[in-house]
Amino acid sequence: EAQVTQNPRYLITVTGKKLTVTCSQNMNHEYMSWYRQDPGLGLRQIYYSMNVEVTDKGDVPEGYKVSRKEKRNFPLILESPSPNQTSLYFCASSLSRTLSGDSPLHFGNGTRLTVT
Amino acid sequence: DAKTTQPNSMESNEEEPVHLPCNHSTISGTDYIHWYRQLPSQGPEYVIHGLTSNVNNRMASLAIAEDRKSSTLILHRATLRDAAVYYCILRDYTNAGKSTFGDGTTLTVKP
Repeated sequence: EAQVTQNPRYLITVTGKKLTVTCSQNMNHEYMSWYRQDPGLGLRQIYYSMNVEVTDKGDVPEGYKVSRKEKRNFPLILESPSPNQTSLYFCASSLSRTLSGDSPLHFGNGTRLTVT
Repeated sequence: DAKTTQPNSMESNEEEPVHLPCNHSTISGTDYIHWYRQLPSQGPEYVIHGLTSNVNNRMASLAIAEDRKSSTLILHRATLRDAAVYYCILRDYTNAGKSTFGDGTTLTVKP
């Protein structure tokens, strides 16, 4: 089944303890992206990647890192999490031919992160 | 980035058509119009997208204004399972990297 898989679904951690949220897609998509969703603020883009080894900042990249060493995986890294990063996180992917926007986004089921 | 504007909420009766509007007055010629919906406790789900012409698929229809400054997502017969938050976004076909979501429209379907 074609899907975007995020792990874990739920994570509770403490301030300053490094964590990684994994995202994997099995559709051979070139494009991957991370979003956070907060009440009243909608979905905001954190980082995106147009292909392997190519990443760029979205609207809210501060406090986050990403890497794209292989096409299927796009982990989100919080080096020193803070309470304001408590949020619902979504990973998405799409098939991107020559930077085309004519490609639907496929989303994972989300990771609910709580930082105390 | 071009932005979209949608009503915060809409209501519909079950089995009636629903027209969800979206304004994108600053749309550029290279922007595709995408619609997604998000059910409770799930990630957003693709519904439909188009560039200039109206589009139909098994889920919905997309009507795009001639000047492309607005579009309407049409659910032909709303069901209780269509109750969700619907997002209209623009994706530039020359640079699809950034995808900006607005607050979306919360659709309530009454039995």
